[in-house]
Amino acid sequence: EAGVAQSPRYKIIEKRQSVAFWCNPISGHATLYWYQQILGQGPKLLIQFQNNGVVDDSQLPKDRFSAERLKGVDSTLKIQPAKLEDSAVYLCASSLGVLRNQPQHFGDGTRLSIL
Amino acid sequence: AQKITQTQPGMFVQEKEAVTLDCTYDTSDPSYGLFWYKQPSSGEMIFLIYQGSYDQQNATEGRYSLNFQKARKSANLVISASQLGDSAMYFCAMREGRGSGGSNYKLTFGKGTLLTVNP
Repeated sequence: EAGVAQSPRYKIIEKRQSVAFWCNPISGHATLYWYQQILGQGPKLLIQFQNNGVVDDSQLPKDRFSAERLKGVDSTLKIQPAKLEDSAVYLCASSLGVLRNQPQHFGDGTRLSIL
Repeated sequence: AQKITQTQPGMFVQEKEAVTLDCTYDTSDPSYGLFWYKQPSSGEMIFLIYQGSYDQQNATEGRYSLNFQKARKSANLVISASQLGDSAMYFCAMREGRGSGGSNYKLTFGKGTLLTVNP
């Protein structure tokens, strides 16, 4: 089975610019997650979708970050305007559902550098 | 308070030996799940093993086993017969919480342990 696909793999932008990341989850996975992983730390959940509805976006900085999951499949995460502290790896994950024992499967991530 | 604590920033092990990576957790939810993920230098997060709070037996998956001590709130990962390809960051994570319809199970990660396997 194909895994979670993310693009781009790397992105370098200047502060105050905007950037967008794309994620295609594993086929049939209803739940999609975006995580931010700052160097030296574990991933932190930004937003969780169940189909095309938002379940949890409590840690998403909504003044600059936005995410959508149209048609309950692909998702995009946008940052506008970017700040230096947004330099991180952005990981997309998906799971079959939200049962406690259903693992999340991750993509390779997008490594974002802000100059 | 930290929900997931991994006290070993780095660990070294000789090839073919076993190694234990520590993880302690904090929750008041009686129902929770514990996961271990491996993150090689290439960046992807690879699911290794799962342990449910009500599981009576310790989870095992090939060379990976989870030493689950519920009373001590610890869920240590044991890797047997280490291989050079096991060198990576290892993250312990916990899923807890009850949303409406069970739809709000957050996954909280620890800070990770960097394992280096020496030839």
